[in-house]
Amino acid sequence: QSVLTQPPSASGTPGQRVTVSCSGGSSNIGSYTVNWYRQLPGTAPKLLIYNNNQRPSGVPDRFSASKSATSASLAISGLQSEDEADYYCSTWDDSLNGYLFGTGTKVNVL
Amino acid sequence: QVQLVQSGAEVKKPGASVKVSCKTSGYNFIGYHINWARQAPGQGLEWVGWINPNGGGTNYAQKFQGRVALTMDTSIFYMEVNRLTSDDTAVYYCGRDNNDAMDVWGQGTTVTVSS
Repeated sequence: QSVLTQPPSASGTPGQRVTVSCSGGSSNIGSYTVNWYRQLPGTAPKLLIYNNNQRPSGVPDRFSASKSATSASLAISGLQSEDEADYYCSTWDDSLNGYLFGTGTKVNVL
Repeated sequence: QVQLVQSGAEVKKPGASVKVSCKTSGYNFIGYHINWARQAPGQGLEWVGWINPNGGGTNYAQKFQGRVALTMDTSIFYMEVNRLTSDDTAVYYCGRDNNDAMDVWGQGTTVTVSS
């Protein structure tokens, strides 16, 4: 399917580990690498993970990601208050011949 | 450092057009596609299209074909949206494409369509 489905929200307390899933199909995640973006309130998105599991310079190793078949996941360990943000997965889609963004997940730090 | 700086907020009436700019600096602009995406109030991100600065080739999301035009003038990139409706009210972003990831983003431009 040409949609990337994420849970609307995920929560954790400081120090905990939180995971965010991203479910797609053979025309997108099944064929291409996945990127993850973080968007703090009122700001532009920022690249968090590229090429399935690579962190850009400056992104702490608390953030990790993986991909398997037509799904991907992002893990945040040692959760901090500043991690409260919206997280989006993204990849190319053959059927749409364009980029897809996931539906987005709001991570809350309790 | 690599920077993408967008033009300021716009308010337009339904049926009008809007042209948003994205000024790039700090890198060789020829070597990287520029993507455009938008985010309606309270909603997720939606890809609009990209332009290849090496030749000016473009690729649009199907829903925007025929209504959006991506152009460039050396290192400044433009997105024009025609026949605006209230559904086009959104923050529009440009982003540098680095091996299929948008690694640097503009600050966003708010476009409000209201009669």
